Amino acid sequence: GEDVEQSLFLSVREGDSSVINCTYTDSSSTYLYWYKQEPGAGLQLLTYIFSNMDMKQDQRLTVLLNKKDKHLSLRIADTQTGDSAIYFCAETPGANNLFFGTGTRLTVIP
Amino acid sequence: DAGVIQSPRHEVTEMGQEVTLRCKPISGHNSLFWYRQTMMRGLELLIYFNNNVPIDDSGMPEDRFSAKMPNASFSTLKIQPSEPRDSAVYFCASSLAQGSEAFFGQGTRLTVV
Repeated sequence: GEDVEQSLFLSVREGDSSVINCTYTDSSSTYLYWYKQEPGAGLQLLTYIFSNMDMKQDQRLTVLLNKKDKHLSLRIADTQTGDSAIYFCAETPGANNLFFGTGTRLTVIP
Repeated sequence: DAGVIQSPRHEVTEMGQEVTLRCKPISGHNSLFWYRQTMMRGLELLIYFNNNVPIDDSGMPEDRFSAKMPNASFSTLKIQPSEPRDSAVYFCASSLAQGSEAFFGQGTRLTVV
């Protein structure tokens, strides 16, 4: 079955880079997503990457995909206190629905 | 569209009582999901529907949990009887099609005392 794994917690200092890692199991996923959950709110789509890409950059965000190792990462450059949130990766196995990791709680220390 | 609407936002109930959580998906979306989020276990998929039909309920913890989707614009998640370990935030989400972006509601924070 599908299994998406993330570490639960990450702390970084303001201004440093954050790297959130994720491993997934289904190599047939067409899209891989990163969602962000701010305190007291639901999840919102942050960015996504097609499975035929290795990297996607969007302002301070860089997504890296290693299909061979089934490893996805999200790098946030110049991390700010407003980036403190829970970050979820999700895979889309075959034509089926989204399967989320448990989420990584990012804490930015001023 | 107002997005995915969940009610109530907060629910406090006594152990043994029945709890019903409600969800209105985004109009036109064909897939609907129920998730549970706790600090210890993170986000867990409970059940999802495609075109009002339950597809996978393997995440439903036990027989005390049941979910229905009587029509394309409404779904319920019921817990009967509720237990303190059911305390969590329950999210509903909908998507236009299988595998596409999911839009989440604000969640229902359930506390069972």
